[in-house]
Amino acid sequence: EAGVAQSPRYKIIEKRQSVAFWCNPISGHATLYWYQQILGQGPKLLIQFQNNGVVDDSQLPKDRFSAERLKGVDSTLKIQPAKLEDSAVYLCASSLTGGSNEQFFGPGTRLTVL
Amino acid sequence: AQSVTQPDIHITVSEGASLELRCNYSYGATPYLFWYVQSPGQGLQLLLKYFSGDTLVQGIKGFEAEFKRSQSSFNLRKPSVHWSDAAEYFCAVGLLYGQNFVFGPGTRLSVLP
Repeated sequence: EAGVAQSPRYKIIEKRQSVAFWCNPISGHATLYWYQQILGQGPKLLIQFQNNGVVDDSQLPKDRFSAERLKGVDSTLKIQPAKLEDSAVYLCASSLTGGSNEQFFGPGTRLTVL
Repeated sequence: AQSVTQPDIHITVSEGASLELRCNYSYGATPYLFWYVQSPGQGLQLLLKYFSGDTLVQGIKGFEAEFKRSQSSFNLRKPSVHWSDAAEYFCAVGLLYGQNFVFGPGTRLSVLP
């Protein structure tokens, strides 16, 4: 079974530029999560989708971050414009239905904002 | 507000010694509880989870955790640590439908030969 795929693996941009990350969850997983993990910290949930609907986006900085999962499968996370403090690893995870179900994590995208 | 604390930032143990990593949570209701491990250059992997039933939960790689409602704790244990257990360990909690999923700050485990 293929795991959660993310691209790109690494990205370096300058502040005020835009960037987009892509995630393809495990086939059949209805729930998709995006996390931000700053160096030395635990992952912070940015947004959670159930199919193509948003369950929780309370910690998403909506003035600069956006995410979509139009067909209930793959998802993109965008930052526009980027700030220095956005430097982090962006993790995508998926699970069958959320709740007590195990989340399977992708390898992450390491973003450096200069 | 919901919160998860892991009081120990860094723990060092000798190979073969026992291990206990602490996790405390503050939630309005009893949440689902998880322990994940993150090895250098690797993704996050689930070690074990608790959501009901027996409060002592067995996981992969010889780990176990005990849920104590009275102490709002979910501590991770291993009787004999192997060098390959060196990694970052995260406690995480969530609610019934996965809302408000929160990771703790993590505990870095170093293992001495």
